[in-house]
Formats: sequence, structure tokens, C-alpha cells
Amino acid sequence: GENVEQHPSTLSVQEGDSAVIKCTYSDSASNYFPWYKQELGKRPQLIIDIRSNVGEKKDQRIAVTLNKTAKHFSLHITETQPEDSAVYFCAASLGATNKLIFGTGTLLAVQP
Amino acid sequence: DAGVIQSPRHEVTEMGQEVTLRCKPISGHDYLFWYRQTMMRGLELLIYFNNNVPIDDSGMPEDRFSAKMPNASFSTLKIQPSEPRDSAVYFCASSAWGSNQPQHFGDGTRLSIL
Repeated sequence: GENVEQHPSTLSVQEGDSAVIKCTYSDSASNYFPWYKQELGKRPQLIIDIRSNVGEKKDQRIAVTLNKTAKHFSLHITETQPEDSAVYFCAASLGATNKLIFGTGTLLAVQP
Repeated sequence: DAGVIQSPRHEVTEMGQEVTLRCKPISGHDYLFWYRQTMMRGLELLIYFNNNVPIDDSGMPEDRFSAKMPNASFSTLKIQPSEPRDSAVYFCASSAWGSNQPQHFGDGTRLSIL
């Protein structure tokens, strides 16, 4: 079946540094790629998403890039802060459906 | 705006008992999703509905699991009989009409089967 691979599984950075999380998907028909942040014991919260007709999207300190040819997309967080510490999940749509396939998550720790 | 509302937040019950989880989607949303989250398997889609009709239930693990959506503002996920391996956090999410619409998650139900 279709899947989404996410790397790294854990990431530790110093406050103020940048963090990059990468995902690869297998379904060439995928056209929607959201990113979720999940704090311990809380619900996943959408932080940014990108659609297949766009190569990059930015929202303040967060950016996502998409390479459809290589079937991979990345989350970039600049000027990291301790409150950015959480598990981040990428996801890709199954084709053009509303079904999402989630990556396995990246635990980001921002050290003050 | 009220988000997706799930109940109960926590459920502890003994093996063999029936468990019912409830979800109220965001008003006006046409899609409703049930997910299960565990350390071993991550976040898995169990089933989703469009306009109260089940569209894809391929993620439902076995016949002990069933889901219904009797109207646009309410859905249930039922496990009967429950087993210890069903212990997980169950999330409900909803999204608006159309493709590629963001899914908004509820706070989840933490289920423990003893």
C-alpha cells in the first residue's frame, strides 16, 4: 500500500537554530501535504499545508517545500524556540481523495 | 468557534465490555474521520464519512469495531467486545466540503482496556 516515510525520528537543536524534517511519499497522485504538531497529551494541530501546484509556502518561522518529481517534502522551522518542542507529523493525501497517510513522526527537542 | 468535541476524554474498562466513543464534528463540516494512535502503529485512519455515509472503512481492524454517523452532528465508534490491544488514543477529525481541506482534530479519547 501507499506509505509516507519521515526522517529523522528524533531531532535535538539549540534554541535559535533551524530544524528540518523530511518526508517521502509513494503515491504519485498525492496532491495535498499537511504538517501537524502534537504536544504531549494533546491533539494534532495543523501548522501548515501545501498543495501540489505550489513548490513552497511560508508562514512566519515555518516553511514547507515540495518536490513532486522526487516525491518528497520538507518542513523548515527557523529561529527555534523551546515552545516548538513537540512531535511533528507529515501526511500525504491518498491520490486526490480526502484520506491522509501519516508519517511516523519526529520528536523535536529545542534546548534552551 | 467550537472545535471537534469528543467524549469521554478517558475511558477505563475491563476486557470484554462494550465501549462507545462519541464525536461531534465542527458545524458545517461534511467529512468526519476516526483515527487511532499508538506508539507502535502511529496515527492510523480507521474510517471516514462524507455527508454521513461511510466512504472508506478499510482501516477498521476487525468486526469488533463499528462506526455510525446517524446525522451531520454526531458519530460513534463502538468496540464490542473490547480487548487489551485496543488500548490507544482515539481521535475524531472533521473537514469542510471539497478535496484537500484541512482536517481538524478533537482532543481524543484515551482508552485503556484492562
